Amino acid sequence: QSALTQPPSASGSPGQSVTISCTGTSSDVGTYNFVSWYQQHPGKAPKLMIYDVSKRPSGVPDRFSGSKSGNTASLTVSGLQADDEADYFCSSYAGSINVFGTGTKVTVL
Amino acid sequence: EVQLLESGGGLVQPGGSLRLSCEASGFTFSTYAMSWVRQAPGKGLEWVSGISGSGGSTYYADSVKGRFTISRDNSKNTLFLQMNTLRAEDTATYYCATWDWNNYYSHYWGLGTLVTVSS
Repeated sequence: QSALTQPPSASGSPGQSVTISCTGTSSDVGTYNFVSWYQQHPGKAPKLMIYDVSKRPSGVPDRFSGSKSGNTASLTVSGLQADDEADYFCSSYAGSINVFGTGTKVTVL
Repeated sequence: EVQLLESGGGLVQPGGSLRLSCEASGFTFSTYAMSWVRQAPGKGLEWVSGISGSGGSTYYADSVKGRFTISRDNSKNTLFLQMNTLRAEDTATYYCATWDWNNYYSHYWGLGTLVTVSS
């Protein structure tokens, strides 16, 4: 039950795009299409942004998109806005349990 | 509107016990699987435990297996986490969240309750 690996930080200027990777193993990301992504602002609860690898819940802008290839999932935020500055965590089903990523702090320059 | 309100956190000594509660409203509680997720100060999220809508199936992370027990009272729309033999590394904010039983994601989250294990 090791945490999924994410880069500690990512950044981009307003209007640009940033992509965050989430690397797991054949026991989680590589086997299941149950990858989700969460945004967390300081002092706040996490917010679901993507589920089932690439689906967006109602109310989440289409600037947020997800994908997966092999053992690595990715979240892309296009058209960066100031409010996108936050921590982002991936999560994957791993057979009866979930496992989260190490987290990525996104900075809007 | 879906609301999840955790309570029961606080300061406890190593080896002690604590019971967290999560009161749910705004949805049919018994039809949703639920989970507990924790976050140590300044750290990432860690999935702790999950339970089916009926309460008949429960799941635990290895880090808490044998020490924590998840349960629910559907008549009171309340989720619980009984935490025994607490360790310093259990210090965290504990969130309750819905847990999609088929697709394993958490759509709705509470605001969290802080548990501090220290002498």
